[in-house]
Formats: sequence, C-alpha cells, structure tokens
Amino acid sequence: GENVEQHPSTLSVQEGDSAVIKCTYSDSASNYFPWYKQELGKRPQLIIDIRSNVGEKKDQRIAVTLNKTAKHFSLHITETQPEDSAVYFCAASMGGGADGLTFGKGTHLIIQP
Amino acid sequence: KAGVTQTPRYLIKTRGQQVTLSCSPISGHRSVSWYQQTPGQGLQFLFEYFSETQRNKGNFPGRFSGRQFSNSRSEMNVSTLELGDSALYLCASSLGGFGTSLMDTQYFGPGTRLTVL
Repeated sequence: GENVEQHPSTLSVQEGDSAVIKCTYSDSASNYFPWYKQELGKRPQLIIDIRSNVGEKKDQRIAVTLNKTAKHFSLHITETQPEDSAVYFCAASMGGGADGLTFGKGTHLIIQP
Repeated sequence: KAGVTQTPRYLIKTRGQQVTLSCSPISGHRSVSWYQQTPGQGLQFLFEYFSETQRNKGNFPGRFSGRQFSNSRSEMNVSTLELGDSALYLCASSLGGFGTSLMDTQYFGPGTRLTVL
C-alpha cells in the first residue's frame, strides 16, 4: 500500500519568514495530494490540494509543488503569521475517493513572534 | 451549506463494550470515509462508503465495521473495545464518484473523542 513520509516533524520559523514542509510518497499510482491544517482540538481543514497533472498550485500565501518523477511534494507558506501555527498533514491517494487518504505523520509549525 | 457533523462528540466506554458513532455528510456528498487519529499512529484510514457500499477498507481488525444509509449518513461500530481503541474518530465526506478526480476533496467532521477505560 501507499506510504507517505513527512518532514520535518517540528518547524519553528520567525513571523514573516517562509516555511517549507516536504512529503514523499511510494505508490506511483497516487494522483491526488491534499494538505490539511489542524489546530489544537479542531478538525483537519483542507488548505490546498494538487492533482498529478499539475506541477504547482498557489493560493495567496500558500503554494504546493509536485515532482511526480521523484515522488515528492512540498507545501510552501510565505510571510508566515501567528495564525499559521498548527499541525500540517500531507496526504496521498489514487483519487476517485475509494482508496482513502494516506497521511504523513504531521508537521507542527510554530511561528515565533 | 452545513458542514460534516458527527455525534456524539465525546464517549467514555469500558473494555469489552461496543460503540456506534454517527456521521452526517455535507448535503449532496455521497462518499463517507472514516479515519482514526491517535498521537502515536497519526491519521489512519478505516473504510470508505459510497452509495451504501463499502469500497475499501484499511488495515484494521474486523471489530471495526461500518455502514451507510440511503441518505448517505454513515455509522461506524467498534465491538469488544480495547484500551488501544481510544482515539479521535473522524469522518470525511466528498462528492465521490468513480474515476472522477474532481470528486476527491474530503471535508472532515469535528470528530468523536472515544476514551476506553
């Protein structure tokens, strides 16, 4: 089955700096890669996703890049703000909804004031 | 549009008991997936239902089961509870549909926090 590795497990950055979280996946059949943000005691919330026919996607301060050949994808957050502090999860699936999302272990992002 | 809802939000059970959790998807969503979240194992896929059919199941014992009703609401059941079943159980809904990548986006409910004593 699919295996997703996520690094780093904890990331501390100064407010205003950029943060990058990286994930690798094992199954070349995976073609859908979402990122979720989970604040303490709350539900995971989708922040951005990318499909395998796209190499990069941006939404304001957030961007995701995908390298299908290397089987890795990354989340980039620019101009970080205190409200960006949370746990971020990457995930992969084959799409179509049937196989379920395989999640990475999460990255605890800490924004230092 | 109302989001995904789950009931109950908190449950305390003892070993050996069974429990049923409920999930109501976003209106119009036909796919419901269930996940277990623990500090040690993270988020793990339990199973997925679409049009009342289980399409896939994760690597969990048969004590974990589920079903989906004609209105897309879903329930999951855990029998003979063990201490290790203590976790946050999350359901997620999506439009679903076979081979339609646009249907992939999953929206999570708030979860049910299950504590097994």
